[in-house]
Amino acid sequence: ELKVEQNPLFLSMQEGKNYTIYCNYSTTSDRLYWYRQDPGKSLESLFVLLSNGAVKQEGRLMASLDTKARLSTLHITAAVHDLSATYFCAATSGTYKYIFGTGTRLKVLA
Amino acid sequence: SAVISQKPSRDICQRGTSLTIQCQVDSQVTMMFWYRQQPGQSLTLIATANQGSEATYESGFVIDKFPISRPNLTFSTLTVSNMSPEDSSIYLCSVDQVGTEAFFGQGTRLTVV
Repeated sequence: ELKVEQNPLFLSMQEGKNYTIYCNYSTTSDRLYWYRQDPGKSLESLFVLLSNGAVKQEGRLMASLDTKARLSTLHITAAVHDLSATYFCAATSGTYKYIFGTGTRLKVLA
Repeated sequence: SAVISQKPSRDICQRGTSLTIQCQVDSQVTMMFWYRQQPGQSLTLIATANQGSEATYESGFVIDKFPISRPNLTFSTLTVSNMSPEDSSIYLCSVDQVGTEAFFGQGTRLTVV
C-alpha cells in the first residue's frame, strides 16, 4: 500500500532564507505532485513530476524527483511572505488514486 | 485545465440531517473523486465516482454514510448522511484529466452542530 510522508510538518522561516520540504513515498509511484493550499481555499497545482531526475522550477520554488530513492523535494529560494501556505505532495501508483502527504505548513516571517 | 464548480461552498448543519454537495465540471471526465479534509489534516480519498457504475469506496467509508451519484460525465453529488460533529470537514471534488494531474473544486466547508 502506497504511503506518503512529508517533513517537516511545520516550517517557520525568515524572508530571504532557503529551505527544502521533503516527500518520501513507500512504493513505486508513476507520478508525483506538489500542491499549494491557502487557508480556507482549495488546492492549487504547482508541479507534476513524471520521471526520475525530473526538475521543475516556477519562481522561487523548485521541485525534483528521485524515483530510486522514492523522494521528492520542494526547494524554496529566498522566501517571501507570499509563499506562506500549506504545501502537499501526492503520489499515484498505477491508478488515478492520489495519496497525499501530511502537508507542510509554511510560515514566512518578515 | 478543468474548471470545477462545487456547491455549496459552506454550510452549517444540524446533527442527524443530511447534506448533498454538488460538483460540476466544464468538460467530460471519466473519473471524479471525492476527498475529505478534516481540520488541520491532509486529504483522504472517500470514493471514486464512475459514470454508469457504482462508486468505489475507500477503506473506512461506506455507501450508506456517503452515497454518491454520477448521472453523467460532467456532474456528481456526494451526500453526507446522518451527520455528526465528527463529519465537520472540507469536502473536495476532484477530476484527473487523461492521467495528467488532478484538479480540485473550491471545496465545501461543512460544520455540524
